[in-house]
Amino acid sequence: DIQMTQSPSSLSASVGDRVTITCRASQSISSYLNWYQQKPGKAPKLLIYAASSLESGVPSRFSGSGSGTDFTLTISSLRPEDFATYSCQQTYSSPLFTFGPGTKVEIK
Amino acid sequence: EVQLVESGGGLVQPGGSLRLSCEASGFTFTIYNMNWVRQAPGKGLEWVSYIGSSSSTIYYADSVKGRFTISRDNAKNSLYLQMNSLRAEDSAVYYCARVIIRGNHDAFDIWGQGTTVTVSS
Repeated sequence: DIQMTQSPSSLSASVGDRVTITCRASQSISSYLNWYQQKPGKAPKLLIYAASSLESGVPSRFSGSGSGTDFTLTISSLRPEDFATYSCQQTYSSPLFTFGPGTKVEIK
Repeated sequence: EVQLVESGGGLVQPGGSLRLSCEASGFTFTIYNMNWVRQAPGKGLEWVSYIGSSSSTIYYADSVKGRFTISRDNAKNSLYLQMNSLRAEDSAVYYCARVIIRGNHDAFDIWGQGTTVTVSS
């Protein structure tokens, strides 16, 4: 089974900060990696698919990069509505999917 | 409006059963693969089960294999999850999610609002 890890598990940042979240797969998954945003009490929202493709309607301050085992989600300039939990998901072994444990982005 | 609406959650005793439903609207349900994903309180997302558009392909996470059964009724635009032999660790918010395929990459693009399952005596 492919395991996913994320770092950090949480971070504190200010509006306007550049934020980077890392996701690592236990084996190479090429670019089969998605990122989701989840706010408290709400369903996840797809942000990035195929490691670096921006989902329609998602602001361009969000970007994804990486391939193989190491991936990053970057928010170029944090906005108040970006405070949420971000999770990665591997789809390499589709339809056996795995999510990362999540990274909570909090207000400093 | 494209949406998924789950129902059927509730409080159940350990060893009991529950059937979750997910009703789709605003899109052609019959052509999409679907999933159930759960999230225990304070925990991350956990993929539970997948079903292909024609029900010919079905997969489960090891944690629920042999206890949960996924199904769909395309005539009713509905997805189901029959959960038997429930354990405390099955307590979670359960989401249904649609699979979109872009290139050869899967992603979960539409999610329901979730339904809460609590397993407790």
